[in-house]
Amino acid sequence: DQQVKQNSPSLSVQEGRISILNCDYTNSMFDYFLWYKKYPAEGPTFLISISSIKDKNEDGRFTVFLNKSAKHLSLHIVPSQPGDSAVYFCAASLYNNNDMRFGAGTRLTVKP
Amino acid sequence: DVKVTQSSRYLVKRTGEKVFLECVQDMDHENMFWYRQDPGLGLRLIYFSYDVKMKEKGDIPEGYSVSREKKERFSLILESASTNQTSMYLCASSLTSGRYTQYFGPGTRLTVL
Repeated sequence: DQQVKQNSPSLSVQEGRISILNCDYTNSMFDYFLWYKKYPAEGPTFLISISSIKDKNEDGRFTVFLNKSAKHLSLHIVPSQPGDSAVYFCAASLYNNNDMRFGAGTRLTVKP
Repeated sequence: DVKVTQSSRYLVKRTGEKVFLECVQDMDHENMFWYRQDPGLGLRLIYFSYDVKMKEKGDIPEGYSVSREKKERFSLILESASTNQTSMYLCASSLTSGRYTQYFGPGTRLTVL
């Protein structure tokens, strides 16, 4: 039972344009959401997070939006750069809970 | 700087062999985790540990065991490796309370022939 779903296995965008990666979850009790970025042959690295009391969090070129009623979050990258090409995982957890659920990942390719 | 290291980047073993994957973190984190990553399935939790000598099963513990004798070290053991355990194995660690982030090691690509 996959509680966190990333329905797009891949996304290709042109350098300088916006990348939008999407994630849906089924457990309404999740209250903390994260995005990780993974390059080949490396472990995932933390990118940005958002708690359920917010609907938006920004960090430089990266913005995460949370729509609790739709159980949907998205990651916007503006402007996209070739170095952003990687697999992006979304994850969700409960507060103070060791059980973090990950989506299957979306492979982003940014073309020069 | 946060550091999680794994003993091997690539490993090739034969069916039936006992396999040990080691993970070490230098952040004094209480929690440590073992995941496997497979295409289309994302990261699935095998086991985690919230303290020395303590462990909890994740979603897919069958065929695996773990050991945590010291706070900084968490080992994953494949008792009798099988071909369906060919995968990327990722170790992570985190603090124990509040809104925490898991920090990952570089992964071990295990192939079982």
